[in-house]
Amino acid sequence: QQPVQSPQAVILREGEDAVINCSSSKALYSVHWYRQKHGEAPVFLMILLKGGEQKGHDKISASFNEKKQQSSLYLTASQLSYSGTYFCGTEPPGSGGSNYKLTFGKGTLLTVNP
Amino acid sequence: KAGVTQTPRYLIKTRGQQVTLSCSPISGHRSVSWYQQTPGQGLQFLFEYFSETQRNKGNFPGRFSGRQFSNSRSEMNVSTLELGDSALYLCASSLVVRSGTQYFGPGTRLLVL
Repeated sequence: QQPVQSPQAVILREGEDAVINCSSSKALYSVHWYRQKHGEAPVFLMILLKGGEQKGHDKISASFNEKKQQSSLYLTASQLSYSGTYFCGTEPPGSGGSNYKLTFGKGTLLTVNP
Repeated sequence: KAGVTQTPRYLIKTRGQQVTLSCSPISGHRSVSWYQQTPGQGLQFLFEYFSETQRNKGNFPGRFSGRQFSNSRSEMNVSTLELGDSALYLCASSLVVRSGTQYFGPGTRLLVL
């Protein structure tokens, strides 16, 4: 089941903040966040495992609410370099390699203007 | 360390033909996953290989197949190409199977005419 991301697109001015949400209808074991710039491959940002932890990467952080089956990515004091499409990927619980399947949302296009 | 490499980078084929794409993972990575990326559907999981075994498969028709060699290099094959197969095909390698960071290659852009 593909996770749902919102919003689909957001436009910011440099220095503004943004939140991108990722929701799943099924239980989650982990949530992965990637950023893809136009014409480039997706690049890993962070992984959050179940437990409600929050992680940070420079001025980009994320939270994972296991009970609500959702994750949020927080971009603080945005920079021009933050522009790109953000994807969340979700992994179901369960053991064994056959359960390994990262399912990505359709992405959120973030544009940061000067 | 060298990153994930994919060949060819661009490919133009006609309907009905078949195509083989190649992916070389980061040295030491044994897990290779393939994704199809289109503007409408985003990143869709095709299959994942670990130690030459397909461990998981996405919801794609049997025309899509793959394999992994003993050196972890992987190939993906699409037979009887359709116009809708036009997409960017990305491969990603990972050190671990579960919750591992995926390192993506630059992709192969396939255009089916």
